Amino acid sequence: EPEVTQTPSHQVTQMGQEVILRCVPISNHLYFYWYRQILGQKVEFLVSFYNNEISEKSEIFDDQFSVERPDGSNFTLKIRSTKLEDSAMYFCASRPSIQGYYEQYFGPGTRLTVT
Amino acid sequence: QKEVEQDPGPLSVPEGAIVSLNCTYSNSAFQYFMWYRQYSRKGPELLMYTYSSGNKEDGRFTAQVDKSSKYISLFIRDSQPSDSATYLCAMSLDNYGQNFVFGPGTRLSVLP
Repeated sequence: EPEVTQTPSHQVTQMGQEVILRCVPISNHLYFYWYRQILGQKVEFLVSFYNNEISEKSEIFDDQFSVERPDGSNFTLKIRSTKLEDSAMYFCASRPSIQGYYEQYFGPGTRLTVT
Repeated sequence: QKEVEQDPGPLSVPEGAIVSLNCTYSNSAFQYFMWYRQYSRKGPELLMYTYSSGNKEDGRFTAQVDKSSKYISLFIRDSQPSDSATYLCAMSLDNYGQNFVFGPGTRLSVLP
């Protein structure tokens, strides 16, 4: 069964450093998402991406965040200058293009630890 | 008032019990309602989705939506130890599911 994959599973970085989190969505999906979940807290929407552009973003997704689909398979989240409060699980999700079909398939997540 | 609220639990039940998980929400514009299951250190997995008020059944799971009360429920019949996980409700304003709002989750333990 096809699944969303994410790498790395765990990333440790120092405050102020740039990180790139990578996702490979399911191959025939056209909508892509990033969510984050701070330990013990709820899953929060960051951004949605369709047709090579951001379609919606939350207040969390400020100028230090960016997303890219550099090729036909990868979908990346970049955090330019990490802060301690960016420590969280980051989940990628994807969805087929069928109108009205809103099941989002989540990846296993990347645990980001900022020290 | 938080947008979506859930009893965080933990909720412990014996195997075979009927489990009731609930969410309340404040935004009456939500139209689509989902339940996700999340095992420890894994991504959320969709269990059920419903549109507007009503019931939907899938195997041992039944989802209920009461828009007039802004209240949704997930019932699990004949609960199994493998059902032990955190259950997240999520809701969306539109049918593209662009922006899901999640509840904080209820941790469920089903004891053998």
